[in-house]
Amino acid sequence: ETGVTQSPTHLIKTRGQQVTLRCSSQSGHNTVSWYQQALGQGPQFIFQYYREEENGRGNFPPRFSGLQFPNYSSELNVNALELDDSALYLCASRGTSGQETQYFGPGTRLLVL
Amino acid sequence: GENVEQHPSTLSVQEGDSAVIKCTYSDSASNYFPWYKQELGKRPQLIIDIRSNVGEKKDQRIAVTLNKTAKHFSLHITETQPEDSAVYFCAARRSNQFYFGTGTSLTVIP
Repeated sequence: ETGVTQSPTHLIKTRGQQVTLRCSSQSGHNTVSWYQQALGQGPQFIFQYYREEENGRGNFPPRFSGLQFPNYSSELNVNALELDDSALYLCASRGTSGQETQYFGPGTRLLVL
Repeated sequence: GENVEQHPSTLSVQEGDSAVIKCTYSDSASNYFPWYKQELGKRPQLIIDIRSNVGEKKDQRIAVTLNKTAKHFSLHITETQPEDSAVYFCAARRSNQFYFGTGTSLTVIP
């Protein structure tokens, strides 16, 4: 198993609420990416953080936002939750520039009712 | 942006046979192509990867081939075993983003 951890493992929210998901990257990794994986689909890139700055974003609305902290852990915040936000949210970390391999955390399964 | 297509969506093989999964990508700027295995309820695990300056890479029973001209890459699993049963995803990296295929559910029949 990788050293990437996520919390919580499961979460149930209602439509319109806000949620914060957390990711602790593998030791020595300064780049964290977040993905949304709907049931039966491949992971969809949400955004990436490198040294506390967002440096890449997929096709997700602004209500999906994030943070990276000085220890390179990261948060994903989703406002105004919609039913379609129900999915597995994965974070993945990788090392410095030139290291391409990314390692996934176990994911947070979010259910929006 | 990049578009990654993956085929087939499901694949059943007899134990000991080979399995091949194919992916195509659209952007010639993509330069790194990992393959992930995801078992039910678990995280994606990297099983093999290939960079755009290499045509083929092998690791025991698993191999990946890349054809940059045709923009396609393939995963080959030989001597399949029941524990190879899982969903396999290909991905392509362009700039700072990874684009994933839709997955192939592989079943190895004992």
